Amino acid sequence: DIQMTQSPSSLSASVGDRVTITCQASQDISNYVNWFQQKPGRAPKLLIYDASTLETGVPSRFSGSGYGTDFTFTISSLQAEDIGTYYCQSYDNVAVIFGPGTRVETK
Amino acid sequence: QVQLVQSGAEVREPGSSVKVSCKASGGTFISSAFIWVRQAPGQGLQWMGRIVPLLNVLNYAQKFQDRVTFTADKGTSTTYMELSRLTSDDTAVYYCARRTGYKIDYWGQGTLVTVSS
Repeated sequence: DIQMTQSPSSLSASVGDRVTITCQASQDISNYVNWFQQKPGRAPKLLIYDASTLETGVPSRFSGSGYGTDFTFTISSLQAEDIGTYYCQSYDNVAVIFGPGTRVETK
Repeated sequence: QVQLVQSGAEVREPGSSVKVSCKASGGTFISSAFIWVRQAPGQGLQWMGRIVPLLNVLNYAQKFQDRVTFTADKGTSTTYMELSRLTSDDTAVYYCARRTGYKIDYWGQGTLVTVSS
């Protein structure tokens, strides 16, 4: 079974800071990684798909990269409205696998 | 614009069942794949399975496969998730979402299911 790990589990940064989250898969998953943002009490929102493609309507300060087992999600300049939990996600055949999440807070 | 609208919050006693609906609009229901995901309080996202109405395909996560059932009503573009033999560990928000290729692009608003005696 494929496992997804994320680090850090939480972070606190100032508005304007560059924020980076990493996600590692237990085996090669090509570029089949999506990134979601979830705000409290809300459904997850797709930000990045296929590891690096920005979903329509998502601000360009969000980006993703990686291939194989190691992936990175970046917020180039953190905004106050970016607080929430971020999840990486991939697939194990039909099954959908989520990382454990990274909680992002502002200082 | 695709919208997934779920049924309202439910309270159930342990040992009972719950059925949550997810009505789709604005897209091609019949050829879409829908997944169900749950999130326990303060926890992460857990995939429960998927349904593809056009192909009558059902896949359940091993953790739930003996007590979850997905169905679809093509006439009303609605999918359903029924979970039986509820325990307090099933208290969670349940989401439906649409999977298109390798994207999970639209989500319902979530349905809180509380299991309590």
